[in-house]
Amino acid sequence: QKEVEQNSGPLSVPEGAIASLNCTYSDRGSQSFFWYRQYSGKSPELIMSIYSNGDKEDGRFTAQLNKASQYVSLLIRDSQPSDSATYLCAVKGDYKLSFGAGTTVTVRA
Amino acid sequence: SAVISQKPSRDICQRGTSLTIQCQVDSQVTMMFWYRQQPGQSLTLIATANQGSEATYESGFVIDKFPISRPNLTFSTLTVSNMSPEDSSIYLCSVGPQAPNEQFFGPGTRLTVL
Repeated sequence: QKEVEQNSGPLSVPEGAIASLNCTYSDRGSQSFFWYRQYSGKSPELIMSIYSNGDKEDGRFTAQLNKASQYVSLLIRDSQPSDSATYLCAVKGDYKLSFGAGTTVTVRA
Repeated sequence: SAVISQKPSRDICQRGTSLTIQCQVDSQVTMMFWYRQQPGQSLTLIATANQGSEATYESGFVIDKFPISRPNLTFSTLTVSNMSPEDSSIYLCSVGPQAPNEQFFGPGTRLTVL
């Protein structure tokens, strides 16, 4: 079983719609969770971090965490073409990050 | 967040040669990491660069192939030794934790081995 699993893509959404990205993890002791955005040919950029159960909003992004279900998600509201990228879910164990395979999002105008 | 730079940004190398990648941070950081991202894949941790001691390697990675130095709290190098085409990847330096517990990536080094 992979440590971090993301819903398979690619995900295509129309401009202005909500993109929903899901991630599950296997280590029940994990306490820190992150979403990175990676544009083609670029390095990962941290866009959200979440540490406690519930929702965390930052602009058009909302991260949701449910530790009991070992589940973390990212919602992108009012999707824009500039949101087209690969989104990586990362979970922190004792010292290192474990990454999911990534979900590629395409926002079509 | 810390500003991270890497050199070179890209390189094309012949098989059997070695390449040293440098990572420089604009402030002192506790931990520095080296990752590999193979084409179309996610990130895999190679090792944690420890200041003043030997690096800690992840399963599947060995010091002879990927020697790492970290002479101080702002600088580290990763060498890819005796390269083969399978080493063609993006190599990324990362630093953390940055308050509260975040980790950031450098721009990466795109390596092509012929």
